[in-house]
Amino acid sequence: ETGVTQTPRHLVMGMTNKKSLKCEQHLGHNAMYWYKQSAKKPLELMFVYNFKEQTENNSVPSRFSPECPNSSHLFLHLHTLQPEDSALYLCASSQDRAESSYEQYFGPGTRLTVT
Amino acid sequence: AQSVTQLGSHVSVSEGALVLLRCNYSSSVPPYLFWYVQYPNQGLQLLLKYTTGATLVKGINGFEAEFKKSETSFHLTKPSAHMSDAAEYFCAVITGFQKLVFGTGTRLLVSP
Repeated sequence: ETGVTQTPRHLVMGMTNKKSLKCEQHLGHNAMYWYKQSAKKPLELMFVYNFKEQTENNSVPSRFSPECPNSSHLFLHLHTLQPEDSALYLCASSQDRAESSYEQYFGPGTRLTVT
Repeated sequence: AQSVTQLGSHVSVSEGALVLLRCNYSSSVPPYLFWYVQYPNQGLQLLLKYTTGATLVKGINGFEAEFKKSETSFHLTKPSAHMSDAAEYFCAVITGFQKLVFGTGTRLLVSP
């Protein structure tokens, strides 16, 4: 595997379900991110982890719970979601150094539909 | 606060024509600027970036962008569009604390 991978690629869940999204980066980076991409809206940064520590929570509802057990893996645990949470969830990683210009590498995303 | 504005949610060109996608930025410090492309059902892929130095930046797939401080612009161009260029393009600026702020995106449509 290379780059940033995300599983599953598609997920349909009911509002009472609990599910998790998984992201793995194979680039040796130390920062990982969750973004939400909804139709006709700019990309929204949700969470940032740096060296496994959460450094940003962009006022995300508590029904989204991130977990970063190590610098290579990032999870997004979902429970009691709402239909408006249906979106493409993108994971990204970067090397947190000025020399790298902080460019972020994205995974293919998980298309989530909440019914 | 740093931000970017992309003019035009949709741009249509014919195959072989010039592609011009516009991006203006707002930043109180020298900006790091990026262009990303997103093909259907895929994540974002970095096309090119500007940090410091040469203001004309060349990227992948024949795209380039010019940083113009006087105009606070970072427009993306390609001399000759190809059908495979049809995608959504996002301009972004890095803020403090490694946050990327994206524009709303421009969908490029290429007709034969």
